[in-house]
Amino acid sequence: AQSVTQPDIHITVSEGASLELRCNYSYGATPYLFWYVQSPGQGLQLLLKYFSGDTLVQGIKGFEAEFKRSQSSFNLRKPSVHWSDAAEYFCAVGAPRAAGNKLTFGGGTRVLVKP
Amino acid sequence: AAGVIQSPRHLIKEKRETATLKCYPIPRHDTVYWYQQGPGQDPQFLISFYEKMQSDKGSIPDRFSAQQFSDYHSELNMSSLELGDSALYFCASSFGRNTGELFFGEGSRLTVL
Repeated sequence: AQSVTQPDIHITVSEGASLELRCNYSYGATPYLFWYVQSPGQGLQLLLKYFSGDTLVQGIKGFEAEFKRSQSSFNLRKPSVHWSDAAEYFCAVGAPRAAGNKLTFGGGTRVLVKP
Repeated sequence: AAGVIQSPRHLIKEKRETATLKCYPIPRHDTVYWYQQGPGQDPQFLISFYEKMQSDKGSIPDRFSAQQFSDYHSELNMSSLELGDSALYFCASSFGRNTGELFFGEGSRLTVL
C-alpha cells in the first residue's frame, strides 16, 4: 500500500522569500505524484503532477516540484512567495496500476505568509 | 471547461438523521471517487466506482452507502449521522481507472449537530 509523509505541519515564510515543502512517499514502484493546494473551506486545486519523464515538474502559480527516486521524495518549491500562497498544501500519491486509481494524501502542510 | 459538480455545497443535519450528497462528474468521465476530510485532517478515501460498479473501498463506515447511476453521477448516502461525520466530502472523477489524474469538486460541507 502507498503512503505519504509531509514532515512539516506548519511553515511560516515571509512574503518574497522562497518556500520548500517536503513530501516523502512509500510505494513499491514509480508512483504518480501530485501536489494540491487548499484554501480554507475550499476545494482541492491541483498545482502539479508527475507521471514519468523529466523529474522537474512545473506547475501553476509559479510552483515546481522535483521527483527524486533515490530519496522517495517529491518536494514542492516556489522561489518567491506571495501573500495569496497562504493555504494548506497536500502531497498525494497514486498507484495507477493498482486498485482503482485512488490517491493517498499526506497530512498536509499549512503555510503562513508574513508581510 | 466543465468541472465536477457537487450538491449541496452545505448541509446541516441533526444526529441520527440521514443525508445524501450528489456528485456529477466531468462529462465522459466514467470513474467517481468519494473522499472525506475531517476538520484539520487530510482527505481520506471512502469509495470509488467505475462504470457503475464499485471499484475500490476505503474507510467508509457501514452506515454509509454509495452508488453510481447510468448517467455516471454518484450519490453518497449517510444514515444514523454522528457528530464525527461532520466533514468536507469531496467527489472526484476521472476517465478510466488508470489515468492517474483525479479532478476534484469543490466539496460538500456536512455539519451534524
